[in-house]
Amino acid sequence: EPEVTQTPSHQVTQMGQEVILRCVPISNHLYFYWYRQILGQKVEFLVSFYNNEISEKSEIFDDQFSVERPDGSNFTLKIRSTKLEDSAMYFCASRADGLSDEQFFGPGTRLTVL
Amino acid sequence: GDSVTQMEGPVTLSEEAFLTINCTYTATGYPSLFWYVQYPGEGLQLLLKATKADDKGSNKGFEATYRKETTSFHLEKGSVQVSDSAVYFCALTPYNFNKFYFGSGTKLNVKP
Repeated sequence: EPEVTQTPSHQVTQMGQEVILRCVPISNHLYFYWYRQILGQKVEFLVSFYNNEISEKSEIFDDQFSVERPDGSNFTLKIRSTKLEDSAMYFCASRADGLSDEQFFGPGTRLTVL
Repeated sequence: GDSVTQMEGPVTLSEEAFLTINCTYTATGYPSLFWYVQYPGEGLQLLLKATKADDKGSNKGFEATYRKETTSFHLEKGSVQVSDSAVYFCALTPYNFNKFYFGSGTKLNVKP
């Protein structure tokens, strides 16, 4: 069964460093998403991406964040200068098309900022 | 704005006990409602969903009914197993499917 994959599973970084979280969505899916979950809190929407551009972003997704689909398979989330409060689990998701309501989630990347 | 509220955990039950995890939502229009499950070390897996009022989603013995009058989507299972131990997330996507809103998750521990 096709699945969304994410790498790495755990990333530890120093405050102020740049990190790139990688995702491989399900092949042929058209919509891509990033969510995050700070420990003990809700899973929160960060950004949606369609047709090679951001379609919606939340207030959390400030200038420190960017997304990219550099080739036909990867979908990345970059945090330019990490802060302590960026420590969270980051989930990537993909959706097949505009008529589908279901998102398929990856296993997550746990980001720890020291 | 849209939001989901679910009961706090952890919930600890003995095997074969009845499970209810409450979930209520706030949304404009007609959202689709979901329950996702996260087993230790794994991602969010779709457990069941319902797309309109009075629909019942079911899977693996779990059920939830979309109740528009009470804006609820409570998860139930008649007899839980140890293997059901996981974190359960209630979620909604609005009519345009543009994002998910999640509840805070409820951890279920089932003891043999």
